[in-house]
Amino acid sequence: QVQLVQSGTEVKKPGASVKVSCKAFGYTFSSFYMHWVRQAPGQGLEWMGVINPNGGSSTYAQKFQGRVTMTRDTSTSTVYMELSSLRSEDTAVYYCARDPVTGYFDLWGRGTLVTVSS
Amino acid sequence: QLVLTQSPSAAASLGASVKLTCTLSSGHSSYPIAWHQQQPEKGPRYLMKVNSDGSHIRGDGIPDRFSGFSSGAERYLTISSLQSEDEADYYCQTWGTGRGIFGAGTKVTVL
Repeated sequence: QVQLVQSGTEVKKPGASVKVSCKAFGYTFSSFYMHWVRQAPGQGLEWMGVINPNGGSSTYAQKFQGRVTMTRDTSTSTVYMELSSLRSEDTAVYYCARDPVTGYFDLWGRGTLVTVSS
Repeated sequence: QLVLTQSPSAAASLGASVKLTCTLSSGHSSYPIAWHQQQPEKGPRYLMKVNSDGSHIRGDGIPDRFSGFSSGAERYLTISSLQSEDEADYYCQTWGTGRGIFGAGTKVTVL
C-alpha cells in the first residue's frame, strides 16, 4: 500500500532539537522528492523545505535556514527532518508530503505533533 | 512575488454544489496549482492538480464530485452533491521561485 508513515509525538524543551522521520511504503523511494510542511495550532500550512532522495540534495525555506536539516536513508526508504534551537512557536504538526518531481504534493503523511514547552 | 489568494470561507447546503477559488498573483497566471483537503483533526489529502488550460488530474480514490477548472489567473475547485464529510479546509498549493507556496485556505461549511 502506498503510504508515508511518520514517527510519533514529541515533547521538547526550548533550545532542544527534534528529529522526525517519514518512512515510505509501496513506491520507488528515489523517484519522488519529499517535502516537509508544518501547521501550527489553528493555522494554515507552511512549507519548510524539500529533499531529493536520489542524491540527498535539499532546499530549505529561508525562514528555517540554519535551523533545519533534511536527510534520507535509502536503505530504509526514510527521510528525516531535524529542527534545532526549538522555541514555543515551533509547536506544530509536521507533515511529510511526496512530490513526483513536479512541485505538487500527491501524498501526505499523517503528521507528527511536536510540542515545545518548558 | 508569487502569492495564492483564497476566500476564508464558503457554505452550501447538503446535496448542493460549492465553488472555491484560488487566485494566482499578477504575472503568474500560467502556473498549475494543486488542491488539498483537510478534514477536522486530520492531515491534508491531495485532491487534484489543475493546469492553466483547465485540465485536471484527480488523486487516487477522489470521487468525480470534485472537479477543477481554470480561467486566467483563477483556479477553481467545484464540489457537487455536497456531503457532510466534505466539511473541511481546502488549500491550494503551487511551486515557484524554488519554494512551495500555500494559500491561506478556505473553510467549507455544509449547511
